[in-house]
Amino acid sequence: GIQVEQSPPDLILQEGANSTLRCNFSDSVNNLQWFHQNPWGQLINLFYIPSGTKQNGRLSATTVATERYSLLYISSSQTTDSGVYFCAVGTRGGADGLTFGKGTHLIIQP
Amino acid sequence: AAGVIQSPRHLIKEKRETATLKCYPIPRHDTVYWYQQGPGQDPQFLISFYEKMQSDKGSIPDRFSAQQFSDYHSELNMSSLELGDSALYFCASSGGPGVLSGDTEAFFGQGTRLTVV
Repeated sequence: GIQVEQSPPDLILQEGANSTLRCNFSDSVNNLQWFHQNPWGQLINLFYIPSGTKQNGRLSATTVATERYSLLYISSSQTTDSGVYFCAVGTRGGADGLTFGKGTHLIIQP
Repeated sequence: AAGVIQSPRHLIKEKRETATLKCYPIPRHDTVYWYQQGPGQDPQFLISFYEKMQSDKGSIPDRFSAQQFSDYHSELNMSSLELGDSALYFCASSGGPGVLSGDTEAFFGQGTRLTVV
């Protein structure tokens, strides 16, 4: 099956800093999503981005499908950004399940 | 906006007991997925249903079964529970008008935290 690798695995930053999270995948995808899992376990949709670039407030994401990677940018970090960021991909369309990466554990210190 | 609803939110069961988790997808979504997330792990896909038919199967144990009903809600049935089944179980749904343009974005419920003692 497809392999999804996220880096870095852990990241500690001060409030106000910017960060870039990376997701590499081993095969062509037709679905790529970024999630934020907060300390209460909720999986929050950030971006649905199988290709191209999207922005939502302080967050933006870019997927270069031909080179099999995606980047999540977080600017002006806040303590509420802490948590685990997952990249998840789907390869066959329709109702196939997503394969998740191991996640990036982000801690924003005040 | 309506989200994916899961019940119960928390469940404590003893070994060898059975458990049933319920999922109510976003209105007009026709596809439901189940995932299992162990402590410190990433979510693992278990099974999915499209229009009440099983569509894709992941690492679902034989002790587990699931179905999607005529109103599109889904239930995950877990039997002969083991300590290792303790995990956060997520249901997700996708579908609706976006499918026509190839949009398969999945939205997750808040999860059911199952503890087996």
